Amino acid sequence: NAGVTQTPKFQVLKTGQSMTLQCAQDMNHNSMYWYRQDPGMGLRLIYYSASEGTTDKGEVPNGYNVSRLNKREFSLRLESAAPSQTSVYFCATGGATFSTDTQYFGPGTRLTVL
Amino acid sequence: GDSVTQMEGPVTLSEEAFLTINCTYTATGYPSLFWYVQYPGEGLQLLLKATKADDKGSNKGFEATYRKETTSFHLEKGSVQVSDSAVYFCALSDHGGATNKLIFGTGTLLAVQP
Repeated sequence: NAGVTQTPKFQVLKTGQSMTLQCAQDMNHNSMYWYRQDPGMGLRLIYYSASEGTTDKGEVPNGYNVSRLNKREFSLRLESAAPSQTSVYFCATGGATFSTDTQYFGPGTRLTVL
Repeated sequence: GDSVTQMEGPVTLSEEAFLTINCTYTATGYPSLFWYVQYPGEGLQLLLKATKADDKGSNKGFEATYRKETTSFHLEKGSVQVSDSAVYFCALSDHGGATNKLIFGTGTLLAVQP
């Protein structure tokens, strides 16, 4: 039972390059989330998927796209990376109801854009 | 909109000292409140939660009480250990919409010295 897994753990990109961050969960949760963590900013929601087949923008969606491939997998794509996207990215999963609002986080991807 | 404010760090304590990390929130509804902990190089782990006014969440010697009258959820521990050194995040769950979204404070770094 791996919980929430993310790949890769580390990545260095040049400005303008593209990449996809992968997230998978085996917790059978309906909802999945992508956050970025920056010093002094806490975690900010980029995109989320309330259930399979749906995605919605969070607080800071510009420059990103997402795909909810199936119930288990939720990917985050940077089409043309910028230095401002240097950050630590966390995937999380959770339920959609009041009683299942705890979110569970993956280990993170540390991305540097040069 | 909903928001979370927590005390800035770093907080530096000696082992066995008493810990308080302040957290206040602004919310229009009836959010759940959380404390998450992040150890160096890792993702966020749920430390404790409370779902309604006057609830006390507790785990690993940490406690926090949901105070609706003061809109606060302060984290306390009676005797900290070196192993408690980490970043602590206060968060609330926004139950509006199709799923639950977490809104985080900026995090407080705790350093415990032997």
